[in-house]
Amino acid sequence: QLQLQESGPGLVKPSETLSLTCTVSGGSINRNNYYWGWIRQPPGKGLEWIGGIHYSGNTYYNPSLKSRVTISVDTSKSQFSLKLRSVTAADTAVYYCARQLNYPDNWGRGILVTVSS
Amino acid sequence: EVVLTQSPATLSLSPGERATLSCRASQSVTSFLAWYQQKPGQAPRLLIYDASNRANGIPARFSGSGSGTDFTLTISSLEPEDFAVYYCQQRTNWWTFGQGTKVEIK
Repeated sequence: QLQLQESGPGLVKPSETLSLTCTVSGGSINRNNYYWGWIRQPPGKGLEWIGGIHYSGNTYYNPSLKSRVTISVDTSKSQFSLKLRSVTAADTAVYYCARQLNYPDNWGRGILVTVSS
Repeated sequence: EVVLTQSPATLSLSPGERATLSCRASQSVTSFLAWYQQKPGQAPRLLIYDASNRANGIPARFSGSGSGTDFTLTISSLEPEDFAVYYCQQRTNWWTFGQGTKVEIK
């Protein structure tokens, strides 16, 4: 059974870079039709798509975040990663990683990242 | 950007009742719309994709309909585990979500 697990710091200082990793187990990250994405949810609020990556390295990003986001993949470790630069308190959220065919059909449990000094 | 507007914000119903949730898009998304269920402290769960197709393992009491700009998620008879927040999401123009409808116990 496919499982995704987010990992990384739960606290990041303003202006610094948020870095998270998603580890995929129970299935291959090298599936031609799938993308691997990041979605976030501020506390008590709705969902926002950040972006995603294909195992080939092809990426797509939310235009509103594109200038601050980099998503990368390491197929040898079955991992993909998120970097969000120059964070502010508005970036405080639960960050989910997910497998996506046309829609995200398999999600990690999420990790709360708080931006605070 | 396609804006999705969900209504109502909150739906108060009793177990066994029928729930009807609406999602309206600011422009046509053809049939490229999905519905998710989210319970507190959990990740969203895909229920319906491409407007009317149930995802794997989703009970038949969940159904989706609509096309273009107007979509509906129907839960034919609410079970206790169905009380949650429901989101719609489109994939025509980038990927955006609605703001959610909370289905609460009356």
